[in-house]
Amino acid sequence: AQTVTQSQPEMSVQEAETVTLSCTYDTSESDYYLFWYKQPPSRQMILVIRQEAYKQQNATENRFSVNFQKAAKSFSLKISDSQLGDAAMYFCAYRTGTASKLTFGTGTRLQVTL
Amino acid sequence: GAVVSQHPSRVICKSGTSVKIECRSLDFQATTMFWYRQFPKQSLMLMATSNEGSKATYEQGVEKDKFLINHASLTLSTLTVTSAHPEDSSFYICSASVDPYNEQFFGPGTRLTVL
Repeated sequence: AQTVTQSQPEMSVQEAETVTLSCTYDTSESDYYLFWYKQPPSRQMILVIRQEAYKQQNATENRFSVNFQKAAKSFSLKISDSQLGDAAMYFCAYRTGTASKLTFGTGTRLQVTL
Repeated sequence: GAVVSQHPSRVICKSGTSVKIECRSLDFQATTMFWYRQFPKQSLMLMATSNEGSKATYEQGVEKDKFLINHASLTLSTLTVTSAHPEDSSFYICSASVDPYNEQFFGPGTRLTVL
């Protein structure tokens, strides 16, 4: 069974600084997708970034980028120039290429301080 | 981006009653909808996957007779919690997708409290 592990229950970053959230996963599949979702206090899940396993290039979306290490089964999220609005729960998620089910990690709560 | 709504946003009911939660895709046709449950300070756990016009597929450990899912149209899925009990109190989130392998768009969730 696929598992997703987020080892950092809470992280804190100062405004304008950079923070990295960790995620590891376990799978025997070769075709899969990885995601980072943000859940702010409103509880609305928002897709931050996605990575296809077959792509070697790390995905980037504005201030958000990932470090995808396929051999190590690691998928970390880097947030640059952190803003107060980045404060939220961040969930790492996994999906195989042949199934629709998303498996979520336990989440990391990110605090952004002034 | 695609919008998914849920109704109601909050519901309080008495133990033993049934509660229906609606999930609607507002600006796209959703072949597939998903229902998740999230306990306080925990992650999302998939309860079931529904495809329009067919029976839902439930995850292991989820009672299909207790959590009735209907996906009768391409824009509406409903989750009915039958004979609700306090342990069913949770945050229920739906998501919708144009097909099973495309991006899931999430609704804002429904807070269910069973007294």
